[in-house]
Amino acid sequence: ETGVTQSPTHLIKTRGQQVTLRCSSQSGHNTVSWYQQALGQGPQFIFQYYREEENGRGNFPPRFSGLQFPNYSSELNVNALELDDSALYLCASSRITGEKLFFGSGTQLSVL
Amino acid sequence: DQQVKQNSPSLSVQEGRISILNCDYTNSMFDYFLWYKKYPAEGPTFLISISSIKDKNEDGRFTVFLNKSAKHLSLHIVPSQPGDSAVYFCAANRATGNQFYFGTGTSLTVIP
Repeated sequence: ETGVTQSPTHLIKTRGQQVTLRCSSQSGHNTVSWYQQALGQGPQFIFQYYREEENGRGNFPPRFSGLQFPNYSSELNVNALELDDSALYLCASSRITGEKLFFGSGTQLSVL
Repeated sequence: DQQVKQNSPSLSVQEGRISILNCDYTNSMFDYFLWYKKYPAEGPTFLISISSIKDKNEDGRFTVFLNKSAKHLSLHIVPSQPGDSAVYFCAANRATGNQFYFGTGTSLTVIP
């Protein structure tokens, strides 16, 4: 059983740039969620995708957007990067909404 | 609006003793509670969960207790082992919800 994989592991960008983070969900899981974990904080829900549609969104601005593909892999896109976007971005998959999440190792994004 | 709170940022315990990690929540609609364990440079790993219809769930050395009237849950680890040293997050959601709410984490150090 393949777990959740994320790429890249680390990324450095400058303010104003755009970034795309990628995630492959665990086999058999059709729901993908993205979380942001700032330093010293717990993961914060960004949004969830189910069957290629956004299925709920946390308190994040529209410059955070996503996609889910037919193979259930997913992308997180962030436009107009700000310094406060520096964080660990975690992708998690689950069999269905509300079930326990299986996390990837995350992408550490630094915005300079 | 922090709906799940872990008020102890850190905890140190001697090997072989009991570790007790605490978590409080404010939303009475939460009905599913989980504990995750996180090592540095890795994503959170699911540890144990409990439904709101129960007040205790055990899995080997790990036991989670839920006190709904106090809106409090705790994780007991007995006996504690050095490999248990990690950051522990509690999380909660509603059965109909698509997002998990996480606490800020407690860093557990088990001293050999």
